[in-house]
Amino acid sequence: DADVTQTPRNRITKTGKRIMLECSQTKGHDRMYWYRQDPGLGLRLIYYSFDVKDINKGEISDGYSVSRQAQAKFSLSLESAIPNQTALYFCATSDATERNQPQHFGDGTRLSIL
Amino acid sequence: KNEVEQSPQNLTAQEGEFITINCSYSVGISALHWLQQHPGGGIVSLFMLSSGKKKHGRLIATINIQEKHSSLHITASHPRDSAVYICAVAYKKSSGDKLTFGTGTRLAVRP
Repeated sequence: DADVTQTPRNRITKTGKRIMLECSQTKGHDRMYWYRQDPGLGLRLIYYSFDVKDINKGEISDGYSVSRQAQAKFSLSLESAIPNQTALYFCATSDATERNQPQHFGDGTRLSIL
Repeated sequence: KNEVEQSPQNLTAQEGEFITINCSYSVGISALHWLQQHPGGGIVSLFMLSSGKKKHGRLIATINIQEKHSSLHITASHPRDSAVYICAVAYKKSSGDKLTFGTGTRLAVRP
């Protein structure tokens, strides 16, 4: 089983719909991240959480919200989806015991907003 | 302008060739990461380094802190090395493990 699991893997939906992307991990990491990837652009950070009670905005948080339900679960919501949120979304985790730890990525969710 | 620049953007090689991918950044960092994104989309971490050189199998990563430059080398390249290679940095000014990513180098290795 994957250490970082994202669901769904693919989603097509319509403008205005509320969408939730889920991420769960079995690595026991405190730190979790949500990124989006667009063609020709690097991964960009949407939100990050350093523990269950700590949620922080990244560089492109407008139009998104998150929930850290437990150490192992970090969900990303699009309250009212719009077409320019069509992208590949990644969840990642890292260990907080020392600074500068590798990040472990899920397989991604391909989201299309029509 | 992306603060992490990779070159080349695209690279095609013949099986067996030695490959170099470059990454440069603009300000002081605490660590630099190299990642591999498979054609199916999954991303794996290859290296994390803050100085010197690291080697894993046919992959070698080097960093020159003074020149703000890193290279990823692949020796004896193979078609299974075909992927997008991404450089990412953790700036000293940023908190925790937040990374800034390059746009990636798309590598195709032909048999």
